[in-house]
Amino acid sequence: AQSVTQLGSHVSVSEGALVLLRCNYSSSVPPYLFWYVQYPNQGLQLLLKYTSAATLVKGINGFEAEFKKSETSFHLTKPSAHMSDAAEYFCVVGEETGFQKLVFGTGTRLLVSP
Amino acid sequence: NAGVMQNPRHLVRRRGQEARLRCSPMKGHSHVYWYRQLPEEGLKFMVYLQKENIIDESGMPKERFSAEFPKEGPSILRIQQVVRGDSAAYFCASSTISGETSYEQYFGPGTRLTVT
Repeated sequence: AQSVTQLGSHVSVSEGALVLLRCNYSSSVPPYLFWYVQYPNQGLQLLLKYTSAATLVKGINGFEAEFKKSETSFHLTKPSAHMSDAAEYFCVVGEETGFQKLVFGTGTRLLVSP
Repeated sequence: NAGVMQNPRHLVRRRGQEARLRCSPMKGHSHVYWYRQLPEEGLKFMVYLQKENIIDESGMPKERFSAEFPKEGPSILRIQQVVRGDSAAYFCASSTISGETSYEQYFGPGTRLTVT
């Protein structure tokens, strides 16, 4: 079964600093990988997705993630944090079982200070 | 184009009552997924439905929980005889299998169930 591990339940950065949220996956087949963001008391919004077309994936709001097969990683980055980036971020792997069942990591809460 | 709609957004039930959660998928989407998010945890898959069919319910508790997606109307997640442990946020997502965005799941805002 596929799974994802997110390192660090909380990450704190200053506004303007680099954002790095770590995610490692476990999959026996080429995975579909996603990052979703959840703002307080809201639903989830897709930030970006990897579907094997390119290893560097650009998403919305200036985020990007790089798929590294050798490291089984899919870390999320943003060069310069903004206050509005404060939210919960989930790394997700899509499990192909005849349909795409999403398997979520436990989430990383990003805190941005002025 | 309206997104995935869920109602109610907040639901309070006393132990032993029934909870009914509704989900209207995005226009043109015929696939619905339900997920549960317990406090401080990620989302866990519960069930996947197409119109009038349950395709996979491997994540559903065996008792008290049921789901349907009728030919007409929203998908319903029903929890009978609720217990405190059912308190969680329940998210619905929908997708289509055609086109470039196949398999991309669009999430609703969730229903936050509190059992007192």
